[in-house]
Amino acid sequence: SQQGEEDPQALSIQEGENATMNCSYKTSINNLQWYRQNSGRGLVHLILIRSNEREKHSGRLRVTLDTSKKSSSLLITASRAADTASYFCATDYSNYKLTFGKGTLLTVNP
Amino acid sequence: DAGVIQSPRHEVTEMGQEVTLRCKPISGHNSLFWYRQTMMRGLELLIYFNNNVPIDDSGMPEDRFSAKMPNASFSTLKIQPSEPRDSAVYFCASSLGTEDTQYFGPGTRLTVL
Repeated sequence: SQQGEEDPQALSIQEGENATMNCSYKTSINNLQWYRQNSGRGLVHLILIRSNEREKHSGRLRVTLDTSKKSSSLLITASRAADTASYFCATDYSNYKLTFGKGTLLTVNP
Repeated sequence: DAGVIQSPRHEVTEMGQEVTLRCKPISGHNSLFWYRQTMMRGLELLIYFNNNVPIDDSGMPEDRFSAKMPNASFSTLKIQPSEPRDSAVYFCASSLGTEDTQYFGPGTRLTVL
């Protein structure tokens, strides 16, 4: 399977702490994207990092991409209770076909 | 913009019945995607349209599933006949172009009894 896989499957932290989630994939990609899904809701796009980029920031989010290791990480700094959600990485192999992992369930305790 | 609109939000039906899910993409977006999400298999791409034309339907599970996009502002996913294993959340997403960010609708939660 070309599916990206997130690690850990679940993460529980206290408000104010940083949360790091990882994603590994198997073949060359055009880009890698991170999405968030609140319980019972649709997916919300967070950030896209292209294969020729190594790091990208957006607000409290920091994404890194290591194509040699075929891995990416999503860091959420100074987490808030509202960050509680499932986070998915999606790998783009063929210009349109996103392949999603099973997600990391992040719980931020107030 | 209202975002991607899906209807119904919830559907409960009995095995053997026909189910039709509807999607209105974001105006101006040329690409439309149907996904299915289950606990076991995660999020799977079912079919992808570009400029109203089906480009890749390799993810459609079987002949019971069909999808149409008669115009740029409307798409349907039909299951006939439905089976309990079709129970899942079905998402529609649209993007400006094939390599652009995909915007997801709120999903339709389908339960087949």
